[in-house]
Amino acid sequence: DAKTTQPPSMDCAEGRAANLPCNHSTISGNEYVYWYRQIHSQGPQYIIHGLKNNETNEMASLIITEDRKSSTLILPHATLRDTAVYYCIVRAATSGTYKYIFGTGTRLKVLA
Amino acid sequence: GAVVSQHPSWVICKSGTSVKIECRSLDFQATTMFWYRQFPKQSLMLMATSNEGSKATYEQGVEKDKFLINHASLTLSTLTVTSAHPEDSSFYICSASQNPGNEQFFGPGTRLTVL
Repeated sequence: DAKTTQPPSMDCAEGRAANLPCNHSTISGNEYVYWYRQIHSQGPQYIIHGLKNNETNEMASLIITEDRKSSTLILPHATLRDTAVYYCIVRAATSGTYKYIFGTGTRLKVLA
Repeated sequence: GAVVSQHPSWVICKSGTSVKIECRSLDFQATTMFWYRQFPKQSLMLMATSNEGSKATYEQGVEKDKFLINHASLTLSTLTVTSAHPEDSSFYICSASQNPGNEQFFGPGTRLTVL
């Protein structure tokens, strides 16, 4: 299974863009990159996913490098409510079953 | 849309008893459901994958006789922790996927404390 590497923690000033990096150097050609976040004592919340093109939705943007070995999640205007642990996941497919292997994530703290 | 619920949200039980946790997809049919466990300050660990009407597939190191999973319908999966012990105390989270290739939507989690 492909693994991901993320910095353990980051701070970001409220109102500024938060750029969260993720390395997935062993990713296979058909494996997607997913981002979720988990606010304390809650279930993870889906943010965005992509294969090789950059993606944007109402929550965030996902930038994937051309070689697909790394990606960056961008929260364009971070708020205090964005304080959470952010997980970058490469979805593994085995015998028709798609499962997530969670890494350690990045603890983002948005500062007032 | 894509709401997943869990019941109960928390439970305290005595050592040796069994506890059942329910996971429901409220507004979609889930062909696949997943069960995770999360210890304090740690990441989520996948325990098992269940497809509706089939036996669950357990991850390496997870005791299938201790963690019984039933996925009897497209909207309900249950996890039963049998003969629970204090070391089973954890945060149990389920997720559901409408189709095998779709994103997973997570429930709010169930905190189990075994005394």
